[in-house]
Amino acid sequence: DAGVIQSPRHEVTEMGQEVTLRCKPISGHNSLFWYRQTMMRGLELLIYFNNNVPIDDSGMPEDRFSAKMPNASFSTLKIQPSEPRDSAVYFCASSFSTGQGETQYFGPGTRLLVL
Amino acid sequence: DAKTTQPPSMDCAEGRAANLPCNHSTISGNEYVYWYRQIHSQGPQYIIHGLKNNETNEMASLIITEDRKSSTLILPHATLRDTAVYYCIVREYNNNDMRFGAGTRLTVKP
Repeated sequence: DAGVIQSPRHEVTEMGQEVTLRCKPISGHNSLFWYRQTMMRGLELLIYFNNNVPIDDSGMPEDRFSAKMPNASFSTLKIQPSEPRDSAVYFCASSFSTGQGETQYFGPGTRLLVL
Repeated sequence: DAKTTQPPSMDCAEGRAANLPCNHSTISGNEYVYWYRQIHSQGPQYIIHGLKNNETNEMASLIITEDRKSSTLILPHATLRDTAVYYCIVREYNNNDMRFGAGTRLTVKP
């Protein structure tokens, strides 16, 4: 099993540019999570999907952030326009959720630097 | 609000047991205790979870006090590769919102 796959692993961009982060969950998992990690705020849940449907996006910082999951094997997190304060490590995680609890498996993360 | 309190850092000698404490005095009856760890520059890794009974797997043991207000994660024979930040998380079993606190930075020394 390849685990959760994220791309790119590193991204450097300039303020105002659009950034798209990608995630491929573990095959067979039906829940997908996007997290952001910074030194100041630690690890925060941004949004999660269950069966490709967004369930809770209360952690999304503002309208500049959007996430989609067009199918069970792919999700994107988009920032438009990007700002320096968006610099962070973005993690994607997936799990097989039965409503009875599950373990989340994290990807390696995307390190984003906005100049 | 992470609902848990952990010491910011701990050291452990290689080959010895590492005992990482966690205080969760406001835990409710339907909340589980989960432990994850994050090795430098990697994504968090699941270790173990439990409700009220002690649990053991190939990675660690979890000891939960009878009143469930605190727990201890035990790595029986710590190695240098166990150096990481360890997160104790309290969450309802069917609640996907995991609140990571600051965790404990464990350093295993040779």
